[in-house]
Amino acid sequence: QQQVKQSPQSLIVQKGGISIINCAYENTAFDYFPWYQQFPGKGPALLIAIRPDVSEKKEGRFTISFNKSAKQFSLHIMDSQPGDSATYFCAATGSARQLTFGSGTQLTVLP
Amino acid sequence: GAGVSQSPSNKVTEKGKDVELRCDPISGHTALYWYRQRLGQGLEFLIYFQGNSAPDKSGLPSDRFSAERTGESVSTLTIQRTQQEDSAVYLCASSQRTFSNQPQHFGDGTRLSIL
Repeated sequence: QQQVKQSPQSLIVQKGGISIINCAYENTAFDYFPWYQQFPGKGPALLIAIRPDVSEKKEGRFTISFNKSAKQFSLHIMDSQPGDSATYFCAATGSARQLTFGSGTQLTVLP
Repeated sequence: GAGVSQSPSNKVTEKGKDVELRCDPISGHTALYWYRQRLGQGLEFLIYFQGNSAPDKSGLPSDRFSAERTGESVSTLTIQRTQQEDSAVYLCASSQRTFSNQPQHFGDGTRLSIL
């Protein structure tokens, strides 16, 4: 009930391409869905977040798409750059306050 | 401070020893969270504080783990009689409040290695 399932586990994209990472959840009480970016040796950094009353949110090259009925959300990175190479985590939270994280996607953007 | 600060950044200790990990949250943040990240895995929740109180300790893996927070600021996570499975990165995060849409800001963690 508390799980957030993330795919793919790893992703290789050419520079300038679109990176897409998908997540699915089961707990309908979740009401906040952030994405975090983590570089080796660093803590996760908040990238972008969405509430379930919105179907899409865009910030620069990063877009979250949210499908409430399917209980799925995804991160799209447009014009991917080598500097975007990192591990990306989706997460969800609700009344329980703590974040429930997906298992992570290791993104490699080739120059 | 400017961000969440954790110390030490690295800790190597022998099995059976006790360890204390420290977290300094962002000034003014009333909510503080501890997570554990095993190698190559996602983060798992351990405990959170609202002020100095810990309403949810459900994520603590065993009674060897404890945490406290004082002055609505610094928090320490203590692991007693460490075991090799305790090896992980321990991450602390803080947020202004414990409302679900309050972003959690993470420190860089303490990498704990149990020999």
